[in-house]
Amino acid sequence: EIVLTQSPATLSLSPGERAILSCRASQSVSNSLAWYQHKPGQAPSLLIYDASNRATGIPARFSGSGSGTDFTLTISSLEPEDFAVYYCQQRSQGFTFGPGTKVDV
Amino acid sequence: EVQLVESGGGLIQPGGSLRLSCAASGFTLSSNFMSWVRQAPGKGLEWVSLTYTRGNTLYADSVKGRFTISRDNSKNTMHLQMNSLRAEDTAVYYCATGSFDHWGQGTLVSVSS
Repeated sequence: EIVLTQSPATLSLSPGERAILSCRASQSVSNSLAWYQHKPGQAPSLLIYDASNRATGIPARFSGSGSGTDFTLTISSLEPEDFAVYYCQQRSQGFTFGPGTKVDV
Repeated sequence: EVQLVESGGGLIQPGGSLRLSCAASGFTLSSNFMSWVRQAPGKGLEWVSLTYTRGNTLYADSVKGRFTISRDNSKNTMHLQMNSLRAEDTAVYYCATGSFDHWGQGTLVSVSS
């Protein structure tokens, strides 16, 4: 089973700052990695698929990079609505999620 | 507009059974593979199961042998039959399209005596 680890667990930032979130896989997943945003009481939202492709309607301030075992989600300038929990998910073998990174103020 | 609506959650005793449904609209369910994902209280997301368009299925190890995913294409609906429920199955259960780009709002399952 492929295990994903995310760091940091919590990222405390202010609006306008850059957020850099990391996701590491226990073995190569090629580029089969996605990122999601999840707010309390809401359904998760797909942000990035195939490591670097923005999903439909996702603002350009969200970008993904990486391949193999190391991946990064970057939010170039945090907007108030971006404070949430972010999960990575591998789709190479099954569909496991990472434990999440909480981005808060 | 794509819409997914889950139903069937509730309070159930350990060892009991529950059947969740996911009604799809705005697209043809038979042409898509579909998943169930859950979130236990205070925990992260956990993928549970997936059904491919031809009926093949996948399950997380935590539910294998207890849960069964199925689809009723005539009603554009997907189901999750959950048997031998345990306290650790308590969670909000979401259905999602196979590409995970559309999700329902979730239905809460509580397993407790």
